[in-house]
Amino acid sequence: DVKVTQSSRYLVKRTGEKVFLECVQDMDHENMFWYRQDPGLGLRLIYFSYDVKMKEKGDIPEGYSVSREKKERFSLILESASTNQTSMYLCASSPGTDTQYFGPGTRLTVL
Amino acid sequence: QKEVEQDPGPLSVPEGAIVSLNCTYSNSAFQYFMWYRQYSRKGPELLMYTYSSGNKEDGRFTAQVDKSSKYISLFIRDSQPSDSATYLCAPRMDSSYKLIFGSGTRLLVRP
Repeated sequence: DVKVTQSSRYLVKRTGEKVFLECVQDMDHENMFWYRQDPGLGLRLIYFSYDVKMKEKGDIPEGYSVSREKKERFSLILESASTNQTSMYLCASSPGTDTQYFGPGTRLTVL
Repeated sequence: QKEVEQDPGPLSVPEGAIVSLNCTYSNSAFQYFMWYRQYSRKGPELLMYTYSSGNKEDGRFTAQVDKSSKYISLFIRDSQPSDSATYLCAPRMDSSYKLIFGSGTRLLVRP
């Protein structure tokens, strides 16, 4: 079974803090993704990585950065958290253009 | 206009009913049509997908694509309370990693 794990289920941070969200997959997938999910807006792609140290911006990269130093790990970084970044963050991985497998999500609240 | 439109629901049906969930899309280049199911407080999981137009059946679930009208459907026969979840359609173009998610339809199957 493919397993995608995320470091926290719930996180509460203050405005201006630097926030790290970690994602780990155990299936040696090349591709990893970060999405945010908001009511009425569905899942929106923040960043995508197709190999170690390789990344591409998604649809809403502003205010976020990513890091992929190892194939199995993909980190999302909020350099200076703001209240409009309160959301559910979902990580996914896939082999090529095949099925994306999702983690359980991190619900981030920025106060 | 969003690329993928989905009625948010909630759709409430009695156990045993036939359920029809639908999406419309605007990009005629979409070739793969995914359906993801998302239980409360969990990440989405792939339910099934179809390639191009036509039907695909998997147990109680049938996915249908009509490319001429840009309309995607998921039918659930003999619905069960365990089918209560949010259903997300997510088409993509051929040779592309990028899924375009609808905002999801919340389904409630009453015992």
